[in-house]
Amino acid sequence: SQTIHQWPATLVQPVGSPLSLECTVEGTSNPNLYWYRQAAGRGLQLLFYSVGIGQISSEVPQNLSASRPQDRQFILSSKKLLLSDSGFYLCAWSAPLWAGGGNEQFFGPGTRLTVL
Amino acid sequence: AQSVTQPDIHITVSEGASLELRCNYSYGATPYLFWYVQSPGQGLQLLLKYFSGDTLVQGIKGFEAEFKRSQSSFNLRKPSVHWSDAAEYFCAVAARGAGSYQLTFGKGTKLSVIP
Repeated sequence: SQTIHQWPATLVQPVGSPLSLECTVEGTSNPNLYWYRQAAGRGLQLLFYSVGIGQISSEVPQNLSASRPQDRQFILSSKKLLLSDSGFYLCAWSAPLWAGGGNEQFFGPGTRLTVL
Repeated sequence: AQSVTQPDIHITVSEGASLELRCNYSYGATPYLFWYVQSPGQGLQLLLKYFSGDTLVQGIKGFEAEFKRSQSSFNLRKPSVHWSDAAEYFCAVAARGAGSYQLTFGKGTKLSVIP
């Protein structure tokens, strides 16, 4: 079966510090990968998605970036955090379109980021 | 562009009572629709999905949802709520993007259950 991991689970960082959040998926190949941010009362906002190694699509311009160095690894980064970057960050995966999937997304446990 | 509206921000029901959470969507083509549930501090768990066919779909934990094209709705129901159902519920619609489907979520409905 497939599992998705995120770490760290919680993170407290000062304004201006760098960020690296990691997401890995097990039990599947060539997944589509997604990063979302969830702020209180605002639902989920898609930040980035990737359909393959090195392929990143950005949905919202901001000071965050994403990378996919390996097939089942997705990293969310920032060089300098802002107060507004605080939130709950969720990684998700879906089966690739060419495999007949891609509609359903399966979410990881999330990372709570607090920027002080 | 697609959108999802969940009109109720917060609903409180008594344990054992029936539940209906509302979801309205806007999408130009046949929608793929989902309901997810999120417990505090946790990720999202898929409750059920509608792709095509029977408009009444069954999900996990005794939930069901009905797709009504004429009303652009996909309401979630449960005949008898348990205290463990207290959580936040999100409706979503999937739209085809470049190489993947992208989900657009509603802002969620928080469910409180009175013992």
